[in-house]
Amino acid sequence: NAGVTQTPKFRILKIGQSMTLQCTQDMNHNYMYWYRQDPGMGLKLIYYSVGAGITDKGEVPNGYNVSRSTTEDFPLRLELAAPSQTSVYFCASSLDRGLQNYGYTFGSGTRLTVV
Amino acid sequence: AQKVTQAQTEISVVEKEDVTLDCVYETRDTTYYLFWYKQPPSGELVFLIRRNSFDEQNEISGRYSWNFQKSTSSFNFTITASQVVDSAVYFCALSEKEGGSEKLVFGKGTKLTVNP
Repeated sequence: NAGVTQTPKFRILKIGQSMTLQCTQDMNHNYMYWYRQDPGMGLKLIYYSVGAGITDKGEVPNGYNVSRSTTEDFPLRLELAAPSQTSVYFCASSLDRGLQNYGYTFGSGTRLTVV
Repeated sequence: AQKVTQAQTEISVVEKEDVTLDCVYETRDTTYYLFWYKQPPSGELVFLIRRNSFDEQNEISGRYSWNFQKSTSSFNFTITASQVVDSAVYFCALSEKEGGSEKLVFGKGTKLTVNP
């Protein structure tokens, strides 16, 4: 049982380049999330998805796009990378069944530097 | 709106001291969950505890204990007899339903340094 897998672990991008951060979970979780963590700050929600085909913006969505074509995968797309997107990105998933929250599982993170 | 405040940005203690990390939250929901995560220097997020809003019992797990008080909207975390390996950033987080979707909101974290 791999949990939440993020690739790549590290990446350096040039300004204006594009890339996709991959996130896959094998727990059949319906909810998936993308967070970014800047130095000295907590994690901020970029986008989330409550199920395949459904996505919604979080607190800091500008400059990013997501898709959720399957339950397992939730890729995060950066178009026209900017230095402000230098951060550590975490993908997470959770199983939501009504009021019961079964907790969140996080990936190991992707450290992205835009130069 | 929801908000999690960890007023202590950094704490430094000497090994074997007890230390309490504060967490205050704001929510309008009656059903919510509170979490603590540990982020060691290696960077991964380690789940420590989940508490739902209907369970105000304090919890102890080894050297860790948590004090949940709805009256003051606080969910504080105490490490007893701290060790160097406890050095990490600790995040408090709140999960609640908003617009029908469950979301997790983090505080800014408290960096704990335990010196030998």
